[in-house]
Amino acid sequence: GENVEQHPSTLSVQEGDSAVIKCTYSDSASNYFPWYKQELGKRPQLIIDIRSNVGEKKDQRIAVTLNKTAKHFSLHITETQPEDSAVYFCAASNGYSSASKIIFGSGTRLSIRP
Amino acid sequence: SQTIHQWPATLVQPVGSPLSLECTVEGTSNPNLYWYRQAAGRGLQLLFYSVGIGQISSEVPQNLSASRPQDRQFILSSKKLLLSDSGFYLCAWSVRYQNTEAFFGQGTRLTVV
Repeated sequence: GENVEQHPSTLSVQEGDSAVIKCTYSDSASNYFPWYKQELGKRPQLIIDIRSNVGEKKDQRIAVTLNKTAKHFSLHITETQPEDSAVYFCAASNGYSSASKIIFGSGTRLSIRP
Repeated sequence: SQTIHQWPATLVQPVGSPLSLECTVEGTSNPNLYWYRQAAGRGLQLLFYSVGIGQISSEVPQNLSASRPQDRQFILSSKKLLLSDSGFYLCAWSVRYQNTEAFFGQGTRLTVV
């Protein structure tokens, strides 16, 4: 089955600097890669996603890149702000499969230093 | 619009007692349904997923079970809780056969004492 590895587990960056979180996946059939942000005590919420027919996607300060050959994808946050502090999860799934399931990475706790 | 309801929000149960957490989805049909557990400071572990009524796939052997008695209802149960069952339980749904996000319920914080 699918296995998603996520690094680093914790990340501290100075406000205004960039943050990068990396994930690898094992199942070459996976074709959908969402990223979620979870604030303390709350439910995870989608911040950006990318599908396997695209190599890069950007939404304001957030971007995601996908390398299908290497089976890895990354989240990039630029010009970090205090409200970016949270736990971030990557995930992988094959949405077109009849047995679709969404497997998450172990999470990255991002702290933004003022 | 679609909504997902999960209850209760918090629960304190003694060791050995039964458990029943319920999740319902509104505004969609034939959703994929999921139960995840998040231990303190840890990641999201997939416990069960379902692609239809009565169809349950278990991801890890454990003290829990799941049932889907109706299309938009997903129940997580245990006959006898263990201390290690404590955690944050999240129900989620996604659109079947489409590459779209999973939507999470508010979560249930379970403490087994």
